[in-house]
Amino acid sequence: QKEVEQDPGPLSVPEGAIVSLNCTYSNSAFQYFMWYRQYSRKGPELLMYTYSSGNKEDGRFTAQVDKSSKYISLFIRDSQPSDSATYLCAMTDFGNEKLTFGTGTRLTIIP
Amino acid sequence: GAVVSQHPSRVICKSGTSVKIECRSLDFQATTMFWYRQFPKKSLMLMATSNEGSKATYEQGVEKDKFLINHASLTLSTLTVTSAHPEDSSFYICSATRQGASYEQYFGPGTRLTVT
Repeated sequence: QKEVEQDPGPLSVPEGAIVSLNCTYSNSAFQYFMWYRQYSRKGPELLMYTYSSGNKEDGRFTAQVDKSSKYISLFIRDSQPSDSATYLCAMTDFGNEKLTFGTGTRLTIIP
Repeated sequence: GAVVSQHPSRVICKSGTSVKIECRSLDFQATTMFWYRQFPKKSLMLMATSNEGSKATYEQGVEKDKFLINHASLTLSTLTVTSAHPEDSSFYICSATRQGASYEQYFGPGTRLTVT
């Protein structure tokens, strides 16, 4: 079993829809959770960073962490074609700078 | 803030030659830099972790004599692929963390290496 599981997709949704992206993990020591967006042939861009459980909102993006279920989510509201990219979840535990990544979900927003 | 650059963005080299890739933090001092490799439609594979003035720490299975990492300053790390072979062709990406935010990695735009 991988430490971090992420549905690779591809996921296609119409413009304006709410997108839900998810990751599950097995290491209960993970406390820091991140979502990255990666456009084709580019480096990942940090979207959201969350510590421990709870919600965090930034514009159209909301990150949720449920440590009891070992489950994290990224919601994108009012999705736009420019949101089409691969979304990677990443996480780590206290004192560890190395990130454990999910495999990434390829998202396409259809105009 | 937190911009990381890489140079070159794309390089083609002949088998047996060496290639150097630079990674720079442009607007912050990087306490740690990381080098990743990414295959098409795959996630990131960590190759090594480096701190300024120290030897890099390589992940299991990564040949340190083949992938030389130098972290000369708090804003610059270099990866040299020595005696490159076609199987070294890949997308190489660096990232950096800044002091006080060591869990947030900021990535460079990547370098596409093609070995012919």
